Amino acid sequence: GAVVSQHPSWVICKSGTSVKIECRSLDFQATTMFWYRQFPKQSLMLMATSNEGSKATYEQGVEKDKFLINHASLTLSTLTVTSAHPEDSSFYICSARTSGTAYTGELFFGEGSRLTVL
Amino acid sequence: SQQGEEDPQALSIQEGENATMNCSYKTSINNLQWYRQNSGRGLVHLILIRSNEREKHSGRLRVTLDTSKKSSSLLITASRAADTASYFCATDALGAGNMLTFGGGTRLMVKP
Repeated sequence: GAVVSQHPSWVICKSGTSVKIECRSLDFQATTMFWYRQFPKQSLMLMATSNEGSKATYEQGVEKDKFLINHASLTLSTLTVTSAHPEDSSFYICSARTSGTAYTGELFFGEGSRLTVL
Repeated sequence: SQQGEEDPQALSIQEGENATMNCSYKTSINNLQWYRQNSGRGLVHLILIRSNEREKHSGRLRVTLDTSKKSSSLLITASRAADTASYFCATDALGAGNMLTFGGGTRLMVKP
């Protein structure tokens, strides 16, 4: 199956700094990627849909200036948590889907990034 | 908002027993999918069942879909300790542009 690589897998930063998380589709082109946030023992909360070459679509309640998403190529989307605070500490997961004739309907997930803001 | 509601939220069984998880949803769908998540890891796709299908098998997994009741079940037969994980259903709703909406998940623990 298709592989999505996400890194870093964990990061610790000081309050007020910015953190960038990368999500790459390794063996397929992903015109659309998704970013989720997950709290302990809870389901995934969709934060935004990342579209290659255009602005991301953010879910209601997600601050676009706080969570910057860039999808500059067909294989890479990045999520930058700007001016991070302890309440931003969470598990962030990206996913991607194939498209066109390769579309299968399923999502391929990265391994997630655990962010801890001190 | 999450469309899928999963039941039970947590399930603890002995190795060798079967595990059944249920998912209910609210709107018409193109397909329903089940995913597995090991603790602290990403999700892995298990099986996809289309709206015109009623049952699907993959190894020890059996998924059923009842569109009249808007519900699905995932059965894991002869469970193993390695099946311990969280299991999520996700619906691809009609008219939603192939966006998946995830349920709350069932945390399964299989005791050796």
